[in-house]
Amino acid sequence: QKEVEQNSGPLSVPEGAIASLNCTYSDRGSQSFFWYRQYSGKSPELIMFIYSNGDKEDGRFTAQLNKASQYVSLLIRDSQPSDSATYLCAVNSNAGGTSYGKLTFGQGTILTVHP
Amino acid sequence: DTGVSQNPRHKITKRGQNVTFRCDPISEHNRLYWYRQTLGQGPEFLTYFQNEAQLEKSRLLSDRFSAERPKGSFSTLEIQRTEQGDSAMYLCASSLRPRDPSGGANVLTFGAGSRLTVL
Repeated sequence: QKEVEQNSGPLSVPEGAIASLNCTYSDRGSQSFFWYRQYSGKSPELIMFIYSNGDKEDGRFTAQLNKASQYVSLLIRDSQPSDSATYLCAVNSNAGGTSYGKLTFGQGTILTVHP
Repeated sequence: DTGVSQNPRHKITKRGQNVTFRCDPISEHNRLYWYRQTLGQGPEFLTYFQNEAQLEKSRLLSDRFSAERPKGSFSTLEIQRTEQGDSAMYLCASSLRPRDPSGGANVLTFGAGSRLTVL
């Protein structure tokens, strides 16, 4: 089992729709969860993070966390063509080490928003 | 502060040569990370420093890879005897050690990356 798994893509949604991106993680000790966006040829940039169960909203983005199910998701409302990118889920993890200082990333989900 | 700076942005080398990448983190950040990313994959953790101390190194990382952060500011990542499989984007990121010892919100800010091509 991979440490962080994201729903297989690519995901295609029409402009104005809600895009739903999902992520599961294996380490029950993980406490912080991050969503990064990566445009083609660019480096990842932070969208938002969450560490309490429930929802966290930031503009058109909502992160949802369920630690019991080891599941985190990102909803993008009113999707725009400029949202087309790869979305990376990341979890603070001590896998293979002795501290929770690093982030472990999923493989990413490619999102395409078509006009 | 212009963010995390990485040099060189692109490096083409022949198999067997050594290469070195440099990363200058955000000045007030005390943690520095190196990741590797290949096409279609998420960033893969290599190693990280807190100040000048290397706190963790991936067990999957070959002995040909070494990283330093001698004064707790910039860092270098050296790859010796490069192989074609080393071709990737090498990403550096920095962060502030979170107050919460359990991890907290350790937000990483990435540099633009150094792309390595081994021929």
